[in-house]
Amino acid sequence: GNSVTQMEGPVTLSEEAFLTINCTYTATGYPSLFWYVQYPGEGLQLLLKATKADDKGSNKGFEATYRKETTSFHLEKGSVQVSDSAVYFCALNYGGATNKLIFGTGTLLAVQP
Amino acid sequence: GAVVSQHPSRVICKSGTSVKIECRSLDFQATTMFWYRQFPKQSLMLMATSNEGSKATYEQGVEKDKFLINHASLTLSTLTVTSAHPEDSSFYICSARDDSVGAGRPFGPGTRLLVL
Repeated sequence: GNSVTQMEGPVTLSEEAFLTINCTYTATGYPSLFWYVQYPGEGLQLLLKATKADDKGSNKGFEATYRKETTSFHLEKGSVQVSDSAVYFCALNYGGATNKLIFGTGTLLAVQP
Repeated sequence: GAVVSQHPSRVICKSGTSVKIECRSLDFQATTMFWYRQFPKQSLMLMATSNEGSKATYEQGVEKDKFLINHASLTLSTLTVTSAHPEDSSFYICSARDDSVGAGRPFGPGTRLLVL
């Protein structure tokens, strides 16, 4: 079946450190891939997306590349800030009539000053 | 941008009572809305897809008589947890599909339900 696997958290980094949050997926066909972010006390927000192989999604300094050969969509940021502290969810959309989203378990990122 | 609201943000109720949660698309019309449930330290699990003017589509294992969904207008879907029990305590999140932004649909802020 379709599924998303994320690295477990929490991930604790110092400000300006490099961030990688791993995400791999299992899917039939060619899903679209997403990263969502959930700040404390808020709802999910779309961070970035990629709709086909080799696409790179980017936003707010975050990047992720759709790697079909490794079925991965790892999230990276070169220099994290305290304000990046949040829970990050990797998700896939396997399309069809209802366009359902399947989420990973989420990774808590804590950035310390 | 497209905004989705939920009401209430948190609710505490006694076991056996019913609780209604509203999901509204504030500045766009949504023929399709989605209801998720999130357990602590776990992912969002899709419960059902709400379709305006027709019956909701429930995911396997979700009791339709337990979680009643009504999508009466293009901007409002409601989830009613009937005869709530402590195991129904969870974080309920909705999202609405705005076709103008494709599958990156906006999410509501969530509703925290605690059943005593």
